[in-house]
This record gives sequence, C-alpha cells and structure tokens, in this order.
Amino acid sequence: EAGVAQSPRYKIIEKRQSVAFWCNPISGHATLYWYQQILGQGPKLLIQFQNNGVVDDSQLPKDRFSAERLKGVDSTLKIQPAKLEDSAVYLCASSLIFMRGELFFGEGSRLTVL
Amino acid sequence: AQTVTQSQPEMSVQEAETVTLSCTYDTSESDYYLFWYKQPPSRQMILVIRQEAYKQQNATENRFSVNFQKAAKSFSLKISDSQLGDAAMYFCAYRSARGNQFYFGTGTSLTVIP
Repeated sequence: EAGVAQSPRYKIIEKRQSVAFWCNPISGHATLYWYQQILGQGPKLLIQFQNNGVVDDSQLPKDRFSAERLKGVDSTLKIQPAKLEDSAVYLCASSLIFMRGELFFGEGSRLTVL
Repeated sequence: AQTVTQSQPEMSVQEAETVTLSCTYDTSESDYYLFWYKQPPSRQMILVIRQEAYKQQNATENRFSVNFQKAAKSFSLKISDSQLGDAAMYFCAYRSARGNQFYFGTGTSLTVIP
C-alpha cells in the first residue's frame, strides 16, 4: 500500500514570494490534514478536510494561506506572500473516517523563508 | 479544545535500559483514543502504539508499552531494552471518539546513549 506522498521535500524562497505544496493521501482515506511543524514544536493543525469539504480551518492564516482538495483526493496548500515565520515543515496526513483510524503522515515539505 | 501536555522536553537512556516518557491530557469526554508517535530525524512520523480509552488493559507492542491511567488522565510510554534506533522525537496525541480531530503534545526528544 502506497503511503502519503508529498512534494516538494524542500523549498527555499524569499519573503513575499509564493509557494505551493502538494499531498496525495493513502487511497480510500477520506480525511486529510495539513499540519505546520516549527522546529522543536509539535504539529499544529492548519486545515482538515473530509472528502472535499473543510472540517476545520480555524488556525489557518487565511490572509496568506489557502488550501484545496479537489475531487476529495489530493490536496494543495499555498502560501502567498510568505513571511519569515512561515519557515517550518508542512506535514500532510490522512486517516480513515472510522473511529479507530490513526493518522498516517507523509515525509513533510520543509520550507525555508529567507 | 483538548490539551495534551508532555512535560519532558528531553530524555536520555542508556542502550538496553528502560525509559518512560510522560504525557497528560485534559478532556471532559469519556470515549477517546490516545497515541504515541515517533518522529526520527528523517521527519516521517510513524505510529508507535495506540490505546482505546474504553479498554482497561494497557496496550503493548513488542518493546513498547503504555501505562494508561484514565482517572488521572495520564498516558505514559515505556520503552524497554532501548535501541539506538529508538532515538527520535516522541509525540503523544489525543483523538476524540466523536470526530477526527487530533491534538498533539509538544514532544519529547529521546537520546539513546551507546
């Protein structure tokens, strides 16, 4: 079974530029999450999708971050314009909708904003 | 929102010894799930062990076991016969049985000393 795929693995940009991250969850996983993980901290939820609908985006900085999950499968997270404090690893995870389902994580996309 | 607290930012253990990582959580729910995730330096988070709150028996997975104290809202992870490959960040996570939201602690960095 293929895992959660993310790209790119690494990205370096200058502040005020834009960046996009892509995630393809495990096949059949209805729920998809984007987390931001700043060095030395735990993952912070940015947005949660169930199929192609948003369940929770309360911590997404909507003035600069956007995310979509077209057709309920893969997802894109965009940052525009980027700030220095956006430097972090962006983790995508997916889970089954059933109660016992744990999170399966991708390898993450490391963003450095200069 | 539920909160998950890991009070040990860093821990170390001698190879082949036993170490216990602490986690407490705050919730008013009676049905939920608890997880320990491991994040090696390569950054992909993987599930170590899962505990269902309705189960009194502590979960065990090979060298990993938990001490789940529901009344005290405590969920510690014991690693026996520590190996160099156990060196990683360990995150405690909570998931409500009613939804798909996960809450993570701030992590414990485990060093294994040869």
